[in-house]
Amino acid sequence: AQKVTQAQTEISVVEKEDVTLDCVYETRDTTYYLFWYKQPPSGELVFLIRRNSFDEQNEISGRYSWNFQKSTSSFNFTITASQVVDSAVYFCATSGSARQLTFGSGTQLTVLP
Amino acid sequence: EPEVTQTPSHQVTQMGQEVILRCVPISNHLYFYWYRQILGQKVEFLVSFYNNEISEKSEIFDDQFSVERPDGSNFTLKIRSTKLEDSAMYFCASSEYNGGQETQYFGPGTRLLVL
Repeated sequence: AQKVTQAQTEISVVEKEDVTLDCVYETRDTTYYLFWYKQPPSGELVFLIRRNSFDEQNEISGRYSWNFQKSTSSFNFTITASQVVDSAVYFCATSGSARQLTFGSGTQLTVLP
Repeated sequence: EPEVTQTPSHQVTQMGQEVILRCVPISNHLYFYWYRQILGQKVEFLVSFYNNEISEKSEIFDDQFSVERPDGSNFTLKIRSTKLEDSAMYFCASSEYNGGQETQYFGPGTRLLVL
């Protein structure tokens, strides 16, 4: 079975600050996939990024970047120069041989003006 | 940009009533999912569906639940006799599985309230 832990329940930052959301995963699969989804106050789930377990290269996409470290089973997500519109619940998720997503409990990010 | 749609956006029902939640997946996607999110909690997998049959289901997906793809576009979740604890947001998702490179795209959800 897979498990995702997001230890940060709530984070508050002031606009323009950088913020990192932590995610630790557990899986027995040798090939697996990691995701970040955003859930704004309107309630929908918005796909942000996907990472494959065989590719540990970290990337930047606009204001988003991620740090995937297999050695620590972590998949952290950073928003640079946060904006008020970034306020949402952010979910880390994983899938593997069982293709359904296993979600973490989410981190509520509040960006203050 | 193609998106998953769900209807209704909100549904209120009495305990014991049947409800049908509807989803229209992205048109070229072949894999369909239902998840639910009880208020303030994590998103939980219910069932996956491919080639007109259930691929996997969770412990939550008991005999009260069923899924169907009645035509080429719709994907439905039926709850036969709703319970108070079925109150949740229900999300439909679809994906174009491509040799492991799968991303599930979610609909906006149906908020179900059972009274």
